[in-house]
Amino acid sequence: NAGVTQTPKFQVLKTGQSMTLQCAQDMNHEYMSWYRQDPGMGLRLIHYSVGAGITDQGEVPNGYNVSRSTTEDFPLRLLSAAPSQTSVYFCASSPPWRGSTDTQYFGPGTRLTVL
Amino acid sequence: SQKIEQNSEALNIQEGKTATLTCNYTNYSPAYLQWYRQDPGRGPVFLLLIRENEKEKRKERLKVTFDTTLKQSLFHITASQPADSATYLCALHPDGFQKLVFGTGTRLLVSP
Repeated sequence: NAGVTQTPKFQVLKTGQSMTLQCAQDMNHEYMSWYRQDPGMGLRLIHYSVGAGITDQGEVPNGYNVSRSTTEDFPLRLLSAAPSQTSVYFCASSPPWRGSTDTQYFGPGTRLTVL
Repeated sequence: SQKIEQNSEALNIQEGKTATLTCNYTNYSPAYLQWYRQDPGRGPVFLLLIRENEKEKRKERLKVTFDTTLKQSLFHITASQPADSATYLCALHPDGFQKLVFGTGTRLLVSP
């Protein structure tokens, strides 16, 4: 299994440009999520999905869109990039919630710079 | 407001000593708490999960405690090694389901 994969690894955008960060997992996990990580702020949840066709907002959803058409893929779209969106983005997935056994598997991250 | 606090200052210890990291939370009542390790340039990796009715959990050289009265979890690494140097993140489930909220992490540096 490849686990959770993210592309691209690095990206530089100009203010106002749009782009999609890709995330895929091959573990048949129902739950997927996107975080951003900034110095001193820790990991903050952007959006999450509990299954195909179901998404919800996390702590910092503004400026980002998601959709979940398949179990495997959970792309994150930046609609109009702003310098405040410069960050490292992590995608994560986890198997169906059983309470005591839940753990999240993280991808390697995408480092995004918005000029 | 809800907060998860971890010491932002790096913890420097000598090889062979026990490292103890702290995670305090405010205005949460989590049923579960998790600890992750993160190396520079990589995604977090799960280490341990502890439930609210478990006072202590162990895995090899790792030990986690969970005190719901103090609203605190302690993470211990015994016989620490330079390879243990990393940032350690605590995380909790704020509403009992899969959504996780993370602390800011504490960087551990183990010197030979």
